[in-house]
Amino acid sequence: QVTLKESGPVLVKPTETLTLTCTVSGFSLSNARMGVSWIRQPPGKALEWLAHIFSNDEKSYSTSLKSRLTISKDTSKSQVVLTMTNMDPVDTATYYCARIEVAGFDYWGQGTLVTVSS
Amino acid sequence: DIQMTQSPSSLSASVGDRVTITCRASQGIRNDLGWYQQKPGKAPKRLIYAASSLQSGVPSRFSGSGSGTEFTLTISSLQPEDFATYYCLQHNSYLLTFGGGTKVEIK
Repeated sequence: QVTLKESGPVLVKPTETLTLTCTVSGFSLSNARMGVSWIRQPPGKALEWLAHIFSNDEKSYSTSLKSRLTISKDTSKSQVVLTMTNMDPVDTATYYCARIEVAGFDYWGQGTLVTVSS
Repeated sequence: DIQMTQSPSSLSASVGDRVTITCRASQGIRNDLGWYQQKPGKAPKRLIYAASSLQSGVPSRFSGSGSGTEFTLTISSLQPEDFATYYCLQHNSYLLTFGGGTKVEIK
């Protein structure tokens, strides 16, 4: 059974760095042709893809947020970590991690709401 | 980056109606497109992959079509549990993009 679960702070202050962890089970982060993505959704707005990392450690980032994002993985811990620097209130959103395979996202975490406020 | 233009942004329909949602890509993406359904407070759920393949467990009233730049999600007979927001996602490029979403509401 494939599951993904996001964890991290509920509240961050403006200018702080956000660190989110996605813990996966039911598959290995070393599986070929698979990876994990981060996606966010501000309240009442559309989904926005942020970044992904594949089993071969290949990474991609959203063009608009590339300068602020870092994605990494610890295969032994089955975890994928996303950091986002210089947080702003407009970054308030539900952050999801999802497994990506050749045909897109097949499994999603439940999401975690992150609020940016002083 | 590839832009995905989804239309309409919202629609009102009745149970039993046929509903069609469209996504247009700014450049050709072959059939590297999926459709996702999202209900309030829940994570999205994949309905269609590879533009026209039905995800296991998804009712057959959902169908997808298209290739290249024009894609369509069709619900043949809208059911009460189908009232939700729908998104397309292109994964042809390493820079993935979602459409803006279509909220399907009860008329």
